[in-house]
Amino acid sequence: QKEVEQNSGPLSVPEGAIASLNCTYSDRVSQSFFWYRQYSGKSPELIMSIYSNGDKEDGRFTAQLNKASQYVSLLIRDSQPSDSATYLCAVSDNTNAGKSTFGDGTTLTVKP
Amino acid sequence: ETGVTQSPTHLIKTRGQQVTLRCSSQSGHNTVSWYQQALGQGPQFIFQYYREEENGRGNFPPRFSGLQFPNYSSELNVNALELDDSALYLCASSLWSGENTIYFGEGSWLTVV
Repeated sequence: QKEVEQNSGPLSVPEGAIASLNCTYSDRVSQSFFWYRQYSGKSPELIMSIYSNGDKEDGRFTAQLNKASQYVSLLIRDSQPSDSATYLCAVSDNTNAGKSTFGDGTTLTVKP
Repeated sequence: ETGVTQSPTHLIKTRGQQVTLRCSSQSGHNTVSWYQQALGQGPQFIFQYYREEENGRGNFPPRFSGLQFPNYSSELNVNALELDDSALYLCASSLWSGENTIYFGEGSWLTVV
């Protein structure tokens, strides 16, 4: 079993809808949680980081963390075609993001 | 544009050969992490260098080795290349080893034939 699990998708939503991306992790000592966006043929870029239970909002993005359930999610409101990409969930057992364990990503397509 | 540069961008090697990939970290960053990303998979942590010392290693065999130089640039060396080594190799730099934000370079695409 992989340490970080994501639905591979593809996930398809219409423009303007809410996209919901989910991630579960197996290591209970995980402390830091990250969402990256990766366009095809490009490198990952950090969208959100979250460290405490609850919600964290940044513009159209909301990250949700539930450590008891070992679950982290990313909501994208008012989805745009430019949001079409692969979204990678990553976890770290400390604040050292450079040692993160990544999931295999969920591919999101936003249809105009 | 993250300020992290990698070279070469693409290369093709033959099984059994050796390869060196290079990474220049963002200005002021003293920590470099290397990841391997196979097609359709997420990045896998290879190792991290902090102030020229290895600071953690993932589940990769010893034929994967690295260096960090005094200017904090870094190299990833892979010996005895295997077909499964074909992947995108990503370098990420951060201000220090406890930093929660890392910046990826555009990667080096390695094909082993």
